[in-house]
Amino acid sequence: GQSLEQPSEVTAVEGAIVQINCTYQTSGFYGLSWYQQHDGGAPTFLSYNALDGLEETGRFSSFLSRSDSYGYLLLQELQMKDSASYFCAGPNTGGFKTIFGAGTRLFVKA
Amino acid sequence: DTEVTQTPKHLVMGMTNKKSLKCEQHMGHRAMYWYKQKAKKPPELMFVYSYEKLSINESVPSRFSPECPNSSLLNLHLHALQPEDSALYLCASSQVWDQGETQYFGPGTRLLVL
Repeated sequence: GQSLEQPSEVTAVEGAIVQINCTYQTSGFYGLSWYQQHDGGAPTFLSYNALDGLEETGRFSSFLSRSDSYGYLLLQELQMKDSASYFCAGPNTGGFKTIFGAGTRLFVKA
Repeated sequence: DTEVTQTPKHLVMGMTNKKSLKCEQHMGHRAMYWYKQKAKKPPELMFVYSYEKLSINESVPSRFSPECPNSSLLNLHLHALQPEDSALYLCASSQVWDQGETQYFGPGTRLLVL
């Protein structure tokens, strides 16, 4: 089977940098996506890593190391509006079903 | 236009009712999805349609019946639901059904079964 593990909660202060880790167990892994979901809202796509390395999109960056079965989402210059749940996600082995991690709730404090 | 719309936003139904959830996208996407999400949990895939054909049914009970009338529309017909089916039902779409394709989610329908 396939599973993605991420911390359940992270707390940080405004202006800080926070890293949300995601480790996965699967064979034939194809890439890692990240989604943000505010309370009461829908998931919105943040980034996708198909290859090893860092992808940068504004204040958000995402990293993948396939040899370590590990990725992370890096949020810089944190703002209060970044308080949300963040999900890592990946396609399952041998198919195109998207599996989500349990989600990390990020709390940004003033 | 990168929007997926869903109606209704909220739905309360009894266990004997029949209702339908609707989803629409005009991005030309050929893959559409239904997810179920419980509070503080990740979305769980229910169904995948690719080119208007049902491609994945994640062993969903038959009281949930999906329908894809055309490439822009996706319905989820509900009948004889149970209280444990109360959840947020999310529709999503992607250009095609493939690894790594960005999925665009609608705002969801919050369903309460009494």
